Amino acid sequence: DIVMTQSPDSLAVSLGERATINCKSSQSVLYSSNNKNYLSWYQQKPGQPPKLLIYWASARDSGVPDRFSGSGSGTDFTLTIDSLQAEDVAVYYCQQYYSSPQTFGQGTKVEIK
Amino acid sequence: QLQLHESGPGLVKPSETLSLICNVSGDSISSRSYYWGWIRQPPGRGLEWIGSVYYSGTTYYNPSLKSRVTISVDTSKSQFSLRLTSVTGADTALYYCGRHGYFGVRGPYYLDYWGQGTLVTVSS
Repeated sequence: DIVMTQSPDSLAVSLGERATINCKSSQSVLYSSNNKNYLSWYQQKPGQPPKLLIYWASARDSGVPDRFSGSGSGTDFTLTIDSLQAEDVAVYYCQQYYSSPQTFGQGTKVEIK
Repeated sequence: QLQLHESGPGLVKPSETLSLICNVSGDSISSRSYYWGWIRQPPGRGLEWIGSVYYSGTTYYNPSLKSRVTISVDTSKSQFSLRLTSVTGADTALYYCGRHGYFGVRGPYYLDYWGQGTLVTVSS
């Protein structure tokens, strides 16, 4: 199985500041045949199901604010939230879908400082 | 707008079988562009992918559960289902169904729609 490790486990950021979450996979999730990274990011607020934010490592899902961005390739990925808003308080998960079983990171909790 | 809704017993006894159904509305479960999956989340913990099914019946399972899991699809009813046998307390979780994108290369992909989830408790 591909192990996904997120860092940090939690972080507190002031409103309007940048939050950065890292995700590292135990093996590359870049498929050379199509040059796509099989990596997505989800946001989960309390009492709600996860919501897709980013897929193919950097493609923003429909309706996701442009303050959310994804970057990285191979084994190292980053989710950046520019200008953190109060509604961004949540747990964020990365997921690889390069190989079965699909696996998730352990989650990163983002709070307001 | 696609909607997924999980249903099934909220309480299952140890060693018995957990059975859930996900009803799909607002899109065709027979589309070639999607897989349909089950994911679970123990209380206060992270996400675990259980497995996924294509409209044709092709399945992928998590090896950690494979010996106990069956996922099937009924296109005539626009629903897919999960069976998990020989449950223990470790199977207590919020169970979600979801839709995966897919276009034929190393699928299924990310989950773009999720149900609200249903809590299943394993207890005597």
